[in-house]
Amino acid sequence: NAGVTQTPKFQVLKTGQSMTLQCAQDMNHEYMSWYRQDPGMGLRLIHYSVGAGITDQGEVPNGYNVSRSTTEDFPLRLLSAAPSQTSVYFCASSLTPGQMNTEAFFGQGTRLTVV
Amino acid sequence: AQTVTQSQPEMSVQEAETVTLSCTYDTSESDYYLFWYKQPPSRQMILVIRQEAYKQQNATENRFSVNFQKAAKSFSLKISDSQLGDAAMYFCAYRSPNAGGTSYGKLTFGQGTILTVHP
Repeated sequence: NAGVTQTPKFQVLKTGQSMTLQCAQDMNHEYMSWYRQDPGMGLRLIHYSVGAGITDQGEVPNGYNVSRSTTEDFPLRLLSAAPSQTSVYFCASSLTPGQMNTEAFFGQGTRLTVV
Repeated sequence: AQTVTQSQPEMSVQEAETVTLSCTYDTSESDYYLFWYKQPPSRQMILVIRQEAYKQQNATENRFSVNFQKAAKSFSLKISDSQLGDAAMYFCAYRSPNAGGTSYGKLTFGQGTILTVHP
């Protein structure tokens, strides 16, 4: 049971660099999302997708891009990293939110530091 | 917009004792889901327990149970017979089946409560 696989686990970037955080799930979930976790703020939604080819912004989307070419994969791209993007990032997947048993399954998180 | 508040930044409990973590939320909806997630030092987010708002019966999962007070918008987590492995950050979260736009499918999290278990 792989569930949600997220890579890398740790990353250090220099300001202005770009990178992609990878996320894959094997549960055939339609809904996938990215969150960032900052101290004292819980987790906040960055972007989400309701299926292949469909993405939309969450509450803190600036500086991030996403795409969803397959049901399984939902990468998050940082185009030009800034120190304010230092955070722990989580990918999550679930059944369509309106359905029963709609709990989210999370990846292991990526601790990103931008220097 | 919904908000979730966990007013206890830190809690501690002796092994084998019982502890209750508090959570309140604000919403105008009548249909929603509430969750407690556990985050141990490994960072993995683990679902502890789930409650559907239309169910009056409080959810239980082994040593974990909730006290769901819909009118008071309160959703506390009780951990009985605490174990060392229960030490973690605990997050309360709200999810609406009806939200749209930037909130579609969003889990709204509280700030978290760090639970320490003393042997």
